Amino acid sequence: KNEVEQSPQNLTAQEGEFITINCSYSVGISALHWLQQHPGGGIVSLFMLSSGKKKHGRLIATINIQEKHSSLHITASHPRDSAVYICAVRSGYEKLTFGTGTRLTIIP
Amino acid sequence: NAGVTQTPKFRVLKTGQSMTLLCAQDMNHEYMYWYRQDPGMGLRLIHYSVGEGTTAKGEVPDGYNVSRLKKQNFLLGLESAAPSQTSVYFCASSYSPGLHQNSPLHFGNGTRLTVT
Repeated sequence: KNEVEQSPQNLTAQEGEFITINCSYSVGISALHWLQQHPGGGIVSLFMLSSGKKKHGRLIATINIQEKHSSLHITASHPRDSAVYICAVRSGYEKLTFGTGTRLTIIP
Repeated sequence: NAGVTQTPKFRVLKTGQSMTLLCAQDMNHEYMYWYRQDPGMGLRLIHYSVGEGTTAKGEVPDGYNVSRLKKQNFLLGLESAAPSQTSVYFCASSYSPGLHQNSPLHFGNGTRLTVT
C-alpha cells in the first residue's frame, strides 16, 4: 500500500461544478502540500497545511490529522483548472512522499 | 525574480553518455531537491541538499551524482546514462522546513530526458 493515496485518479466534470479531490496517508506527518501540475509540465504549490482549512480564491484545502485525510475543493470550476493535482506529505525535514496525482478535466 | 530555473528543457542521450542538469534559484533557499517523475508514479527524490557544500541521497540515488558548490545552484549529473533514466526531472527548493514551517516548495519547469 502506498503511503499516499489519491482519489479519484481521473475526474472529468462540467464547467461550474464543485470538485473534490481526496488524499489519504498512512504515516505521521508535519505538513501536507497540494500541488498543481499544468499540461505543460510545470508544478506550482497551491497549499501547505498542517491543520484545519485554507482558502485561496476558488480553492479550499482541508486536513483531518486524526483521520489522516485531506481534501482539495474547487468551487465554480473552470476549464483553466484542468491539470493534475498532487498531494504530498512531509514526514521529516527532507522526506516528502508524493501521491500519483489526480487528473482533472473541466469541460466547457 | 526568476524563481527556480532548470536547464536544459529537453535532452536526448545515447546509452553511456554523460550530462549535467543545472538548477538555479534566486530566493536564497537553503534546501534544494532533485526529483524524477515517471508515468504512474509519484515524484521520487533522487538527491537533496540542506545547504551549500552539503548533499545527501534520496530514495533513488543510484546512477546520479550531485553538487552544491554555491547556495543558488544544484547540479545533477548522470555519469553513464541508461534507458532506465528516461524520465522527467524536476528541481525544487524551499527554506528550511525546520525553521520555516509554512515554507512552500518552488519547482522548476522540468527537464525531459530520453536515453536511447
